[in-house]
Amino acid sequence: EVQLVQSGAEVKKPGESLKISCECSGDSFTNYWIGWVRQMPGKGLEWMGIIYAGGSDTRYSPYFQGQVIISVDRSISTAYLQWSSLEASDTAIYYCASARNGNSYWHSWGQGALVTVSS
Amino acid sequence: QSALTQPASVSGSPGQSITISCTGTYSDVGGHHNSVSWYQQHPGKAPKLIISDVSHRPSGVSNRFSGSKSANTATLTISGLQAEDEGDYYCNSYTTSNSPNYVFGTGTRVTVL
Repeated sequence: EVQLVQSGAEVKKPGESLKISCECSGDSFTNYWIGWVRQMPGKGLEWMGIIYAGGSDTRYSPYFQGQVIISVDRSISTAYLQWSSLEASDTAIYYCASARNGNSYWHSWGQGALVTVSS
Repeated sequence: QSALTQPASVSGSPGQSITISCTGTYSDVGGHHNSVSWYQQHPGKAPKLIISDVSHRPSGVSNRFSGSKSANTATLTISGLQAEDEGDYYCNSYTTSNSPNYVFGTGTRVTVL
C-alpha cells in the first residue's frame, strides 16, 4: 500500500486560489485511486471526489463539481486539489486517501491539510 | 447522495461490548456487494481503516473490532471496550446512486465511561 504525505497548512484570503498536494510513495502510483475528503470544523467526513491515477477517470461529488479541480502528476506520484477562488466556507481540513484499483476501501490516508480562509 | 445514518453517540464501560449501526439503502449498503468499510478517527488525527469489505480486519487492527451486514444496515462491534477506543467512527459504502460512488456515514462518537 502507498503512503501519503500532504502539503502543509495554508492561510488564505477570500478570492485567492490554492493548490494542495498529496505525495504518494511505497507502491506503484498508477495502481491506485486517490480520493479527497473534506472535514469542516467539528463535522464529519465528506467525499469531494476521486481520481484514478492510472487513467483519466475523475469523479466529483455533485456539491463540489465546478468548485474544485482534482488532478494528478504521474511523473512525481502526486495528486492535487485546487481552488480558483476560495470562500470562507472552504475553511476545513482536507484529507487525501488511497484505494488500490479493484478495492473498495481506503487503506491509506494523508495526515490532513488545514486550510483557513479569512479576511 | 445523503450520508448513511449512524447514531450520533454510543457509550460503554471498559470491558463491555458496543455496536454502531450504519443504515443506507439498496443503492449503497444493501447493494449486491460487500463494499462497506469502517474508519476510526481520534481527535486531531487522520481517519484509520479498521474494517474493510464488511467484516475484514486489516493487518494490525485489534480483533476486538468486527463488522457485519444485514440488508441495508452494516454494524461495527467493539468488544472488550478500552479507553483507547474513544473517538469518532465512520462507515463508508460504495454507492450506485451518484458520483463519486462512495458515501460516508454521519459518524458516531464513542465514549468510554
